[in-house]
Amino acid sequence: QSVLIQPPSASGTPGQKITISCSGSRSNIGSNTGNWYQQLPGTAPKVLIYSNDQRPSGVPDRFSGSKSGTSAYLAISWLQSEDEADYYCATWDDSLNGPVFGGGTKLTVL
Amino acid sequence: QVQLQQSGPGLVKPSQTLSLTCAISGDSVSSNTVAWNWIRQSPSRGLEWLGRTHYRSKWYYEYAESLKNRITVNPDTSKNQFSLQLNSVTPEDTAIYYCARSRSPPLIFDLWGRGTLVTVSS
Repeated sequence: QSVLIQPPSASGTPGQKITISCSGSRSNIGSNTGNWYQQLPGTAPKVLIYSNDQRPSGVPDRFSGSKSGTSAYLAISWLQSEDEADYYCATWDDSLNGPVFGGGTKLTVL
Repeated sequence: QVQLQQSGPGLVKPSQTLSLTCAISGDSVSSNTVAWNWIRQSPSRGLEWLGRTHYRSKWYYEYAESLKNRITVNPDTSKNQFSLQLNSVTPEDTAIYYCARSRSPPLIFDLWGRGTLVTVSS
């Protein structure tokens, strides 16, 4: 059981906007910034969003992040087939004194 | 271009020690602005941070509480690499193991190795 809770799956059609949630607690998301990682099949995770809402260079602005209280959110606008991947949230946990991850959300583009 | 190259056996017997190495090119294991991590991924446990080392005038080591008694992460400055040792493995340690660089604050795993599938089986 992962410390951060994500829905196991999400789906959408091309052009649609979807949002993936990440639920934590005061010791993790509630007191630290959140990151999102994208993992394409057979590859290592790649940072998509950091500091709740910042995009590394090269990440399309279709991807956006936000945080509210003890939850973080990843929104993907104008969904494309190449967005099919697993998405993971992550942050630091003050109680565990280490990084923690969500269980991952498998995104299917119908 | 910064790269992490992982090496190590893909099969380990139960009760033995899992050993992996991560060679760094384009950065330094002794950098005082990053940390060097091991993370694993399995269907049952998802992504799990194992431990890290970093240099800030001296070497620091931090480990996941659940593995503290079995894990060692060591830097090797002569070869610009770092290693993972996990003792007394069981089939539950079967996973893809990644080495990764992190920056903080804020904490970001910004560079990952390609991953090594390690199976614990007799």
